[in-house]
Amino acid sequence: KNEVEQSPQNLTAQEGEFITINCSYSVGISALHWLQQHPGGGIVSLFMLSSGKKKHGRLIATINIQEKHSSLHITASHPRDSAVYICAVSRSGGGADGLTFGKGTHLIIQP
Amino acid sequence: DGGITQSPKYLFRKEGQNVTLSCEQNLNHDAMYWYRQDPGQGLRLIYYSQIVNDFQKGDIAEGYSVSREKKESFPLTVTSAQKNPTAFYLCASSIGRGSDEQYFGPGTRLTVT
Repeated sequence: KNEVEQSPQNLTAQEGEFITINCSYSVGISALHWLQQHPGGGIVSLFMLSSGKKKHGRLIATINIQEKHSSLHITASHPRDSAVYICAVSRSGGGADGLTFGKGTHLIIQP
Repeated sequence: DGGITQSPKYLFRKEGQNVTLSCEQNLNHDAMYWYRQDPGQGLRLIYYSQIVNDFQKGDIAEGYSVSREKKESFPLTVTSAQKNPTAFYLCASSIGRGSDEQYFGPGTRLTVT
């Protein structure tokens, strides 16, 4: 079983819809990261959170440490939001020893 | 502008040849990482370095080697011992603590035939 699981794997929605992507993890963490990868391959960090909720524009990320679960929400989705969204965790322990990644959610927003 | 550069974007090699992928950062970050991405799989850690002249193996280090002679540079060599080298390779850096945000380079797509 993967240590970081994302759902759904693929999601197609219409422009304007509210989008939710889920992430569950099974290890102790110091932080959870949401990343965005566009077709060209480059990856951008969207959020890093260890508790509660963060908001940036139309994107909202929440985390429930007790349940080991995080969600990424996109409000008023737009075709330019089409990308792969990746959940990753920094394992607890304090060392800068890399992230553990989910397999990603491929999101397509149709006009 | 601060950031991470990887070169080249696309690289083609014949089987049996070693190849070195470049990664440079001007963010003054202590920690640098190499990840590999294959279709349908999550990124996997190859090697990481928390400080100059020191590096550690990640989850899939076999067939790869690295060096960290300068803070700004963390080149990755894909050796002929790597059984399935064709993949997308991403370099990243962070300030140096485990919960820090990671900054990613644009990636190098390596094809070995």
